Amino acid sequence: EAEVAQSPRYKITEKSQAVAFWCDPISGHATLYWYRQILGQGPELLVQFQDESVVDDSQLPKDRFSAERLKGVDSTLKIQPAELGDSAMYLCASSLVGVAGGQETQYFGPGTRLLVL
Amino acid sequence: AQSVTQLGSHVSVSEGALVLLRCNYSSSVPPYLFWYVQYPNQGLQLLLKYTSAATLVKGINGFEAEFKKSETSFHLTKPSAHMSDAAEYFCAVSAPGETSGSRLTFGEGTQLTVNP
Repeated sequence: EAEVAQSPRYKITEKSQAVAFWCDPISGHATLYWYRQILGQGPELLVQFQDESVVDDSQLPKDRFSAERLKGVDSTLKIQPAELGDSAMYLCASSLVGVAGGQETQYFGPGTRLLVL
Repeated sequence: AQSVTQLGSHVSVSEGALVLLRCNYSSSVPPYLFWYVQYPNQGLQLLLKYTSAATLVKGINGFEAEFKKSETSFHLTKPSAHMSDAAEYFCAVSAPGETSGSRLTFGEGTQLTVNP
């Protein structure tokens, strides 16, 4: 069964350093999502791509976070500089089409757990 | 804007007992509703979803949920708990007609413990 791949699975960094996370969605999925899940809370959407275009980044802290999906396939989420409050699980998900307000299933990867010291 | 409230951050049941996890939603339009399960240090797996067809939705692993518009609820149930059901469960909503994106809005989650 096809899965969403993420790396690394765990990352420890010091504050003010730069970190990057990678996601490879299920083959053929046009829509890719990055969520942040703080311990004890539900995931919150950071950014959504439709192919290579950003559809929704209203909750992305753009002063320090950036995301790209240059060829409309895999994606990278970057934080620079990292802050203590960025410690969380970063989840990537993908769906086939991503119709606005859609009923599509989003398939999640295993996540990257980030600890900022 | 839509939102989800999960009543009870922790639920504990005995093996073989009924599982009931509560979810209430708020949405200005009839929503699509989802239940996901998350095992420790893993991503989320879809259990079931409501997409305006049948109000009683059956999912994987013996779970089901009923959409009740009058109560704005979408509670998750399973007749008999198994030890392997111990995990965190998230209710989520998406809103048809959103002008941008297809974001899921998640609840805070309910940690289910199953006692032998």
